Amino acid sequence: AQSVTQLDSQVPVFEEAPVELRCNYSSSVSVYLFWYVQYPNQGLQLLLKYLSGSTLVKGINGFEAEFNKSQTSFHLRKPSVHISDTAEYFCAVSDNFGNEKLTFGTGTRLTIIP
Amino acid sequence: EAGVAQSPRYKIIEKRQSVAFWCNPISGHATLYWYQQILGQGPKLLIQFQNNGVVDDSQLPKDRFSAERLKGVDSTLKIQPAKLEDSAVYLCASSLGTGLSGNEQFFGPGTRLTVL
Repeated sequence: AQSVTQLDSQVPVFEEAPVELRCNYSSSVSVYLFWYVQYPNQGLQLLLKYLSGSTLVKGINGFEAEFNKSQTSFHLRKPSVHISDTAEYFCAVSDNFGNEKLTFGTGTRLTIIP
Repeated sequence: EAGVAQSPRYKIIEKRQSVAFWCNPISGHATLYWYQQILGQGPKLLIQFQNNGVVDDSQLPKDRFSAERLKGVDSTLKIQPAKLEDSAVYLCASSLGTGLSGNEQFFGPGTRLTVL
């Protein structure tokens, strides 16, 4: 079984400042890692995913994340945030055995301060 | 390409009543998921279908929740009878279902259920 920990439930950031949202996972097997974003009153949308290869993954809207196997982390970063980035961000993990089941963290609410 | 459709968007019921949610996945997607998202928590998988067969329903409270996927396309999730703790957003998602992990799941807008 896998689990995901997002320690920061809320992160306020000034507009145009950088941001990092933290995600740590636990698993006894190899995993795939995902970041989803949920805008108010909308479903979840995939930001980026790590399956294999380069540990630095680039996604949509200028976001990137780095997979660190030794620290079991997959932190999400953006060098300069915009008001439109205000949303809830969820880290998720699945095993790589083919069942596609996702286990989500509790989410981090990113609030951009003008 | 049309996304995942869900209805209704909002539902308010009294406890002990029954309720049903409907989901139409993206055309051609073999795998369909129902998630429960309680306020302040991440989505929790309730049931996963591959075509019209159940792959995983280990976290579905089967004494009150049921789900079916007719003809391997659209799906309904039912709660009978509802409890106060069932208040949540119910999300439907679909994916290609090729048997390869890492396929993107596409989510619908969700149904917000309030049980009074």
